[in-house]
Amino acid sequence: KAGVTQTPRYLIKTRGQQVTLSCSPISGHRSVSWYQQTPGQGLQFLFEYFSETQRNKGNFPGRFSGRQFSNSRSEMNVSTLELGDSALYLCASSPRGLAGAATDTQYFGPGTRLTVL
Amino acid sequence: GIQVEQSPPDLILQEGANSTLRCNFSDSVNNLQWFHQNPWGQLINLFYIPSGTKQNGRLSATTVATERYSLLYISSSQTTDSGVYFCAVDSDSGYALNFGKGTSLLVTP
Repeated sequence: KAGVTQTPRYLIKTRGQQVTLSCSPISGHRSVSWYQQTPGQGLQFLFEYFSETQRNKGNFPGRFSGRQFSNSRSEMNVSTLELGDSALYLCASSPRGLAGAATDTQYFGPGTRLTVL
Repeated sequence: GIQVEQSPPDLILQEGANSTLRCNFSDSVNNLQWFHQNPWGQLINLFYIPSGTKQNGRLSATTVATERYSLLYISSSQTTDSGVYFCAVDSDSGYALNFGKGTSLLVTP
C-alpha cells in the first residue's frame, strides 16, 4: 500500500497570504489528522477528520481550517499568514473506525515545510 | 491536557552501544506510539504500544500503563539510528496525539 502523501513538499509565502496544503491518506483510511511542528512549540495537534467531519480541534486560531473530501483526502488552509506560521505541517492517517481495525496507529506523511517571509 | 516527558533530551552513543529512552505520561492512555523522525522530517512509526512489550529487530519497547511510563530500547546502535525519537500519547480517544519534546540521538562511528 502506498503511504500518506502530502503536497507540496516545500512552500514559500509572504505575510498576509493564504496557503492550502493537501494530504492523501493510506488507501482505506478514513481518519486524517494534521499537526504543526516548530522548534519552539514542538509537535502540536491541529485537527482530525473522519468521514468528512471534524471530530477534534487543537488550540489554534481560526485562521487554521481544514476539510475532508468524500475520498478521504484532506486539505488544510491557513489564511493571513504570519511569520510564526513557518513550520513543518504533518498529516497522519489511521485505520481507526474501520471494522476489524486492530489498532489506532497513526501513520505520518513526509510533511510540507512552509516558510513565511 | 496530558503531559508527556521524555528523557534524556540528548544522547550520544558509539556505534554498537545500547540505549534506553524513557517516556513518562501524566494520565492513563488509549494510545501510545514511538516514532523516529528522520533528517528530512518524516515521522516513522516504530511501535504502537499502549501496554505490554513488543520487539522489532534491534528495537523493543515496553509500556507499564499502571505506572505511566514507556521505555524504548535500542540495541547494537548504528549510525542510521541517529535522529529524534518521539513518544506520543492519546488519552481520551479525542484522536489527538500529545507529543513529548523528543530525545535527540547521535550515533557516531
